[in-house]
Amino acid sequence: EAGVVQSPRYKIIEKKQPVAFWCNPISGHNTLYWYLQNLGQGPELLIRYENEEAVDDSQLPKDRFSAERLKGVDSTLKIQPAELGDSAVYLCASSHGTGEGDGYTFGSGTRLTVV
Amino acid sequence: QKEVEQNSGPLSVPEGAIASLNCTYSDRGSQSFFWYRQYSGKSPELIMFIYSNGDKEDGRFTAQLNKASQYVSLLIRDSQPSDSATYLCAVKGGSYIPTFGRGTSLIVHP
Repeated sequence: EAGVVQSPRYKIIEKKQPVAFWCNPISGHNTLYWYLQNLGQGPELLIRYENEEAVDDSQLPKDRFSAERLKGVDSTLKIQPAELGDSAVYLCASSHGTGEGDGYTFGSGTRLTVV
Repeated sequence: QKEVEQNSGPLSVPEGAIASLNCTYSDRGSQSFFWYRQYSGKSPELIMFIYSNGDKEDGRFTAQLNKASQYVSLLIRDSQPSDSATYLCAVKGGSYIPTFGRGTSLIVHP
Protein backbone atom coordinates (compact mmCIF):
# COMPACT_ATOMS: atom_id res chain seq x y z
CA GLU A 1 0.00 0.00 0.00
CA ALA A 2 1.42 3.36 -1.01
CA GLY A 3 1.74 5.83 1.80
CA VAL A 4 0.72 9.46 1.98
CA VAL A 5 2.60 11.32 -0.73
CA GLN A 6 3.53 14.97 -0.37
CA SER A 7 5.38 17.36 -2.61
CA PRO A 8 7.57 19.26 -2.73
CA ARG A 9 9.89 17.89 -0.06
CA TYR A 10 11.56 21.26 0.47
CA LYS A 11 10.66 24.79 -0.55
CA ILE A 12 12.52 28.06 -0.10
CA ILE A 13 10.71 31.25 -1.02
CA GLU A 14 11.01 34.95 -0.36
CA LYS A 15 8.50 36.57 1.96
CA LYS A 16 5.33 37.88 0.32
CA GLN A 17 5.55 35.20 -2.38
CA PRO A 18 2.87 32.51 -2.77
CA VAL A 19 3.53 28.82 -2.17
CA ALA A 20 1.50 25.65 -2.57
CA PHE A 21 1.82 22.16 -1.15
CA TRP A 22 0.27 19.01 -2.54
CA CYS A 23 -0.88 15.84 -0.81
CA ASN A 24 -2.15 12.49 -2.07
CA PRO A 25 -3.61 10.41 0.79
CA ILE A 26 -3.72 6.64 1.14
CA SER A 27 -6.31 5.14 -1.15
CA GLY A 28 -9.62 4.72 0.63
CA HIS A 29 -8.80 7.14 3.45
CA ASN A 30 -11.69 9.55 3.60
CA THR A 31 -10.21 11.82 6.25
CA LEU A 32 -7.32 14.11 5.37
CA TYR A 33 -5.49 16.51 7.64
CA TRP A 34 -2.99 19.29 7.21
CA TYR A 35 -0.73 19.91 10.16
CA LEU A 36 1.99 22.43 10.87
CA GLN A 37 5.00 21.43 12.94
CA ASN A 38 7.53 23.88 14.29
CA LEU A 39 10.93 22.71 15.49
CA GLY A 40 10.70 21.08 18.91
CA GLN A 41 6.92 21.12 18.92
CA GLY A 42 4.19 18.63 18.19
CA PRO A 43 2.03 18.88 15.07
CA GLU A 44 -0.78 21.43 15.19
CA LEU A 45 -3.92 20.93 13.15
CA LEU A 46 -4.64 23.44 10.40
CA ILE A 47 -7.58 21.81 8.65
CA ARG A 48 -9.42 18.49 8.45
CA TYR A 49 -11.38 17.15 5.49
CA GLU A 50 -14.04 14.48 5.45
CA ASN A 51 -14.07 13.56 1.79
CA GLU A 52 -14.23 16.93 0.01
CA GLU A 53 -15.74 18.84 2.91
CA ALA A 54 -13.63 20.93 5.27
CA VAL A 55 -15.11 20.07 8.66
CA ASP A 56 -12.57 21.66 11.00
CA ASP A 57 -10.63 24.69 9.85
CA SER A 58 -10.76 26.81 12.97
CA GLN A 59 -6.95 26.93 13.24
CA LEU A 60 -6.36 27.89 9.62
CA PRO A 61 -5.27 31.55 9.24
CA LYS A 62 -7.80 32.30 6.56
CA ASP A 63 -6.38 35.70 5.65
CA ARG A 64 -3.40 34.03 3.97
CA PHE A 65 -3.98 30.27 4.02
CA SER A 66 -6.38 28.34 1.84
CA ALA A 67 -6.92 24.67 1.13
CA GLU A 68 -8.98 22.52 -1.14
CA ARG A 69 -9.69 18.86 -1.67
CA LEU A 70 -11.40 18.52 -4.99
CA LYS A 71 -13.09 15.17 -5.62
CA GLY A 72 -12.26 14.11 -2.08
CA VAL A 73 -8.83 12.70 -2.91
CA ASP A 74 -5.81 14.97 -3.47
CA SER A 75 -5.48 18.15 -1.50
CA THR A 76 -3.54 21.37 -1.84
CA LEU A 77 -2.61 23.89 0.82
CA LYS A 78 -1.71 27.40 -0.27
CA ILE A 79 -0.14 30.37 1.48
CA GLN A 80 -0.40 33.80 -0.10
CA PRO A 81 1.50 35.86 0.81
CA ALA A 82 4.03 33.94 2.87
CA GLU A 83 5.54 35.50 5.98
CA LEU A 84 8.79 34.72 7.78
CA GLY A 85 6.84 33.08 10.62
CA ASP A 86 5.37 30.53 8.22
CA SER A 87 8.69 28.69 8.09
CA ALA A 88 7.89 25.20 9.40
CA VAL A 89 7.20 21.66 8.27
CA TYR A 90 3.77 21.15 6.75
CA LEU A 91 2.52 17.62 7.26
CA CYS A 92 -0.35 15.92 5.52
CA ALA A 93 -1.96 12.89 7.13
CA SER A 94 -4.86 10.61 6.35
CA SER A 95 -6.98 8.04 8.16
CA HIS A 96 -9.92 5.75 7.48
CA GLY A 97 -12.08 7.83 9.76
CA THR A 98 -12.11 9.51 13.13
CA GLY A 99 -12.99 6.55 15.33
CA GLU A 100 -11.28 5.58 18.58
CA GLY A 101 -8.56 3.51 17.03
CA ASP A 102 -8.04 5.51 13.88
CA GLY A 103 -4.48 6.71 13.98
CA TYR A 104 -2.92 8.78 11.29
CA THR A 105 -0.47 7.97 8.57
CA PHE A 106 1.67 11.00 7.90
CA GLY A 107 3.34 11.98 4.69
CA SER A 108 7.01 12.94 4.57
CA GLY A 109 6.15 16.61 4.95
CA THR A 110 7.18 19.77 3.17
CA ARG A 111 9.83 21.85 4.87
CA LEU A 112 9.12 25.49 4.07
CA THR A 113 11.73 28.19 4.57
CA VAL A 114 10.65 31.80 4.06
CA VAL A 115 13.54 34.23 3.68
CA GLN B 1 -7.90 24.57 26.08
CA LYS B 2 -7.00 20.93 25.85
CA GLU B 3 -3.39 20.34 26.80
CA VAL B 4 -1.06 17.43 26.41
CA GLU B 5 2.15 17.69 28.39
CA GLN B 6 5.39 15.86 27.83
CA ASN B 7 8.84 16.43 29.23
CA SER B 8 10.93 17.50 26.26
CA GLY B 9 13.99 15.62 27.58
CA PRO B 10 16.32 14.41 26.38
CA LEU B 11 15.86 11.15 28.21
CA SER B 12 19.10 9.21 28.03
CA VAL B 13 19.18 5.47 28.75
CA PRO B 14 21.82 2.80 28.17
CA GLU B 15 21.30 0.12 25.57
CA GLY B 16 19.26 -2.76 26.96
CA ALA B 17 17.54 -0.69 29.64
CA ILE B 18 13.86 0.17 29.94
CA ALA B 19 12.92 3.62 28.69
CA SER B 20 9.86 5.17 30.31
CA LEU B 21 8.10 8.04 28.55
CA ASN B 22 5.25 9.90 30.21
CA CYS B 23 2.40 12.09 29.08
CA THR B 24 -0.34 13.90 30.99
CA TYR B 25 -3.49 15.43 29.57
CA SER B 26 -6.04 17.93 30.76
CA ASP B 27 -9.29 16.81 29.10
CA ARG B 28 -11.06 14.22 31.26
CA GLY B 29 -13.28 13.39 28.31
CA SER B 30 -10.34 12.06 26.31
CA GLN B 31 -11.06 8.67 24.86
CA SER B 32 -8.08 7.35 22.95
CA PHE B 33 -4.37 7.81 23.20
CA PHE B 34 -1.62 7.38 20.67
CA TRP B 35 2.14 7.16 20.67
CA TYR B 36 4.08 8.25 17.60
CA ARG B 37 7.80 7.97 16.96
CA GLN B 38 9.52 10.69 14.96
CA TYR B 39 13.09 10.38 13.78
CA SER B 40 14.99 13.58 13.15
CA GLY B 41 13.92 15.11 9.86
CA LYS B 42 11.21 12.50 9.32
CA SER B 43 7.46 12.47 9.80
CA PRO B 44 5.73 10.87 12.80
CA GLU B 45 4.84 7.19 12.56
CA LEU B 46 2.23 5.47 14.71
CA ILE B 47 3.61 2.98 17.23
CA MET B 48 0.48 2.03 19.12
CA PHE B 49 -2.75 3.28 20.61
CA ILE B 50 -4.69 2.52 23.78
CA TYR B 51 -8.17 3.43 25.01
CA SER B 52 -8.79 1.18 28.01
CA ASN B 53 -7.25 1.59 31.43
CA GLY B 54 -4.34 -0.72 32.04
CA ASP B 55 -1.52 -2.01 29.89
CA LYS B 56 -1.29 -2.85 26.22
CA GLU B 57 1.76 -4.67 24.93
CA ASP B 58 3.16 -4.86 21.43
CA GLY B 59 6.58 -6.43 21.15
CA ARG B 60 9.07 -4.38 23.13
CA PHE B 61 6.53 -1.56 23.60
CA THR B 62 3.98 -1.30 26.40
CA ALA B 63 1.46 1.51 26.67
CA GLN B 64 -0.05 2.20 30.06
CA LEU B 65 -3.18 4.25 30.62
CA ASN B 66 -4.57 5.64 33.87
CA LYS B 67 -7.63 7.78 33.14
CA ALA B 68 -8.23 8.63 36.80
CA SER B 69 -4.79 10.22 37.04
CA GLN B 70 -4.92 11.46 33.44
CA TYR B 71 -1.65 10.06 32.30
CA VAL B 72 -0.45 7.68 29.67
CA SER B 73 3.02 6.21 29.40
CA LEU B 74 5.11 4.25 26.96
CA LEU B 75 7.67 1.71 28.10
CA ILE B 76 10.34 0.47 25.74
CA ARG B 77 12.05 -2.67 26.92
CA ASP B 78 15.53 -3.70 25.82
CA SER B 79 16.12 -0.23 24.36
CA GLN B 80 18.24 -0.12 21.21
CA PRO B 81 20.18 2.79 19.68
CA SER B 82 17.68 2.62 16.80
CA ASP B 83 14.97 3.63 19.28
CA SER B 84 16.61 7.05 19.60
CA ALA B 85 13.95 9.46 18.38
CA THR B 86 11.30 11.88 19.59
CA TYR B 87 8.18 10.23 20.94
CA LEU B 88 4.93 12.14 20.54
CA CYS B 89 1.89 11.53 22.68
CA ALA B 90 -1.48 12.31 21.06
CA VAL B 91 -4.81 12.41 22.85
CA LYS B 92 -8.21 12.19 21.17
CA GLY B 93 -11.36 13.42 22.82
CA GLY B 94 -14.92 14.05 21.80
CA SER B 95 -13.88 16.14 18.82
CA TYR B 96 -12.12 13.07 17.38
CA ILE B 97 -9.10 15.23 16.55
CA PRO B 98 -5.93 14.30 18.41
CA THR B 99 -4.01 16.94 20.27
CA PHE B 100 -0.28 16.32 20.19
CA GLY B 101 2.26 16.93 22.91
CA ARG B 102 5.60 18.50 22.05
CA GLY B 103 7.34 15.16 22.29
CA THR B 104 10.10 13.64 24.40
CA SER B 105 13.53 13.13 22.91
CA LEU B 106 14.96 9.69 23.71
CA ILE B 107 18.64 8.87 23.38
CA VAL B 108 19.76 5.27 23.74
CA HIS B 109 23.51 5.11 24.08
CA PRO B 110 25.57 1.97 23.48
